[in-house]
Amino acid sequence: DAKTTQPTSMDCAEGRAANLPCNHSTISGNEYVYWYRQIHSQGPQYIIHGLKNNETNEMASLIITEDRKSSTLILPHATLRDTAVYYCIAPENFVFGPGTRLSVLP
Amino acid sequence: KAGVTQTPRYLIKTRGQQVTLSCSPISGHRSVSWYQQTPGQGLQFLFEYFSETQRNKGNFPGRFSGRQFSNSRSEMNVSTLELGDSALYLCASSNGQGNSPLHFGNGTRLTVT
Repeated sequence: DAKTTQPTSMDCAEGRAANLPCNHSTISGNEYVYWYRQIHSQGPQYIIHGLKNNETNEMASLIITEDRKSSTLILPHATLRDTAVYYCIAPENFVFGPGTRLSVLP
Repeated sequence: KAGVTQTPRYLIKTRGQQVTLSCSPISGHRSVSWYQQTPGQGLQFLFEYFSETQRNKGNFPGRFSGRQFSNSRSEMNVSTLELGDSALYLCASSNGQGNSPLHFGNGTRLTVT
């Protein structure tokens, strides 16, 4: 399994873009990068995934570097409801690390 | 489409007892995975079932077992409960193919006293 590393915590002002980085330097050529988030007492929620091209959906954008060793999840206009733990995983068996605790501040 | 449904939502058991948790996947999904989440260890993979067969297994003792039925519904069983089994147990489903993402339920909160 590719190992991912993320900052433990981040703050973001409400209305601003939240940029969450993830390092996955050992990712193999056919492994996708997935992002999930978990709000307290709920199950993780799927956000987005990608292989090598940038991806965008109604929730977020995913920017993957050309060498695929890192990626950034972008929440374009963060709201208080985006406060959660964000997980970046590059799975074979979907191994979750500790993630990044994002706090969106009013 | 209805999401992943887990029952019961909360459960309290005594040490030494056994427990069975249930998971109904999203319609059409053939893969069901189970995870244990504790404050100290985070999200840990238990096992994955695909078309009624265990396809992957995490590093948990044999007290933790599961099965999947022909309608893709899955159950997880924990025997001889220990205090350390207190956790949020999460089920996730996917179509089991290629790069399909997991979709999680909201879990069963098990408390062992």
